[in-house]
Amino acid sequence: EAGVAQSPRYKIIEKRQSVAFWCNPISGHATLYWYQQILGQGPKLLIQFQNNGVVDDSQLPKDRFSAERLKGVDSTLKIQPAKLEDSAVYLCASSLVSRGNEQFFGPGTRLTVL
Amino acid sequence: AQKVTQAQTEISVVEKEDVTLDCVYETRDTTYYLFWYKQPPSGELVFLIRRNSFDEQNEISGRYSWNFQKSTSSFNFTITASQVVDSAVYFCALSGYSTLTFGKGTMLLVSP
Repeated sequence: EAGVAQSPRYKIIEKRQSVAFWCNPISGHATLYWYQQILGQGPKLLIQFQNNGVVDDSQLPKDRFSAERLKGVDSTLKIQPAKLEDSAVYLCASSLVSRGNEQFFGPGTRLTVL
Repeated sequence: AQKVTQAQTEISVVEKEDVTLDCVYETRDTTYYLFWYKQPPSGELVFLIRRNSFDEQNEISGRYSWNFQKSTSSFNFTITASQVVDSAVYFCALSGYSTLTFGKGTMLLVSP
């Protein structure tokens, strides 16, 4: 069974530029998550989708971050414009259902904002 | 609000030593789930175990064991006879009626 796929693996941009990350969850997983992991900290949830609907985006900085999951399968997370403090690893995860099930994580995208 | 505390930032052991990683949680939910994830240097989070709040049985899987104590709100993780490959950051996480909340992680360094 293929795992969660993410691209790109690394990205370096200058502040005020825009960037987009892509995620393809495990086939059949209805729930998809985007996390931000700053160095030395645990992952922090940015947004959770159930199929193509948003379940929780309370911690998403909506003035600069956006995400979509068209057709309920793969998803894109965008940052526009990027700030220095956005430097982090962006992790995508998926699960069969939202509550109580283990989440399966992708390899992450390491973003460096200069 | 829910919270997970991993007080040990970094632990260093020599191979074959036993090591315990502590996890203390806070939640008002009556039903909740606890998890441990491993994050090796490659960066990908690997699921290790899930426990629901109604199951306080300890679990053993090979060299890994978990001790869940509701009375002290703790879910500790022990690695017996540690190996160099166990070197990683280990995260404890909690899922109640809201989303999954991670602790800050404990970095385990196992030297030969």
